[in-house]
Amino acid sequence: QVHLQESGPGLVKPSETLSLICTVSGDSITDYFWSWIRQPPGKGLEWLGYISDSGNTHYNPSLKTRVTISMDTSKNQFSLKLSTVTAADTAVYYCARDEAETGALDFWGQGSLVTVSS
Amino acid sequence: SYVLTQPPSVSVAPGKTAIITCGGDNIRSKSVHWYQQKPGQAPILVIYYDRDRPPGIPERFSGSNPGNTATLTISRVEAGDEADYYCQVWDSDSDHRVFGGGTKLTVL
Repeated sequence: QVHLQESGPGLVKPSETLSLICTVSGDSITDYFWSWIRQPPGKGLEWLGYISDSGNTHYNPSLKTRVTISMDTSKNQFSLKLSTVTAADTAVYYCARDEAETGALDFWGQGSLVTVSS
Repeated sequence: SYVLTQPPSVSVAPGKTAIITCGGDNIRSKSVHWYQQKPGQAPILVIYYDRDRPPGIPERFSGSNPGNTATLTISRVEAGDEADYYCQVWDSDSDHRVFGGGTKLTVL
């Protein structure tokens, strides 16, 4: 069974870059697509982008200029970087396996709360 | 960009049937997925590709996407079904994954 685990700082200062890693076990990241999703406190889910099995990326246009997703196949990890953060970027950030042909997100990490505050 | 519309809340008595809707332009042409999220937990996939259930999801959960609105139906609702439910599609025109705003299911 695939397992995903997010890791990274829980507190980021305004204008700095948020960085999170998703470590995958039970699957090779080169076999699937992988997405990042976030959820501000008390609000709904927002898809941020995906990275394909071959390393191609696609981002939500609302964040496109600030988001970067990359992968490290040697560690079976993929990562999220969100630049120039503000308080509006405070959220629980989830990584998930993305079934490329339908876009279904079939396995999720437990989530990582990131607070943007000075 | 593609927009999915869900009712903010649905209430149902235990043992009854809950129906949660998800509207979108020509949604019939898209594969709709549904997620259940309980407080403090990550979402879990309960229906994918309009009507298929992942392993471990009870048969009480079913989905359909016959026309202008996709639906998630929960039969014989239990107290443990109380959660937020989100629909989601892959917008093939843009290659984006899009979520609905979510529906809070309350079991009376």
